[in-house]
Amino acid sequence: DQQVKQNSPSLSVQEGRISILNCDYTNSMFDYFLWYKKYPAEGPTFLISISSIKDKNEDGRFTVFLNKSAKHLSLHIVPSQPGDSAVYFCAASGDSGGSNYKLTFGKGTLLTVNP
Amino acid sequence: NAGVTQTPKFRVLKTGQSMTLLCAQDMNHEYMYWYRQDPGMGLRLIHYSVGEGTTAKGEVPDGYNVSRLKKQNFLLGLESAAPSQTSVYFCASSYIDTQYFGPGTRLTVL
Repeated sequence: DQQVKQNSPSLSVQEGRISILNCDYTNSMFDYFLWYKKYPAEGPTFLISISSIKDKNEDGRFTVFLNKSAKHLSLHIVPSQPGDSAVYFCAASGDSGGSNYKLTFGKGTLLTVNP
Repeated sequence: NAGVTQTPKFRVLKTGQSMTLLCAQDMNHEYMYWYRQDPGMGLRLIHYSVGEGTTAKGEVPDGYNVSRLKKQNFLLGLESAAPSQTSVYFCASSYIDTQYFGPGTRLTVL
């Protein structure tokens, strides 16, 4: 049973527009959420995170929104740039017996930003 | 500060051969992890370690063994490689929840 779902395998946007990547989760024990970015032939790199006590976290062009009641989070990238083209993974933690060290990942969304 | 490094970057094995993948981190992290990434499957946890001398099974542990003899190193072993183990393997380390990944090892088993 997939506990973290990224239902869109791919997303294509124009440069300068907003990119919105979505993630849903089913485990109500999750209380910390992260987004990772992955370029081809490289390891995933941490992008931004949010705790369940917040509903929004912003870092430059990247904002993550959390809707706990809907068990949904989204990553907004504004404005999108061609260098943002990558696979984005949503991850969640909090179900490791009170510790947050284990992450559960979604399958990823390939974002393509067209010039 | 090299972060997380993995050795080797690429490897081709024949079915039944064995090999060890090495992961090293210089961030003094307690937690270390091994994942595999397959097309359409995301990142799946193979084994992890919460400290030197400890290891635990993840989501897909079968066919793999691990050891954490030193805090900075986490080894992943394949005793008898199978074509189903063709994948990209990522090592990661963390202080608590934010994991930092290595560049990956692309393994092909023929």
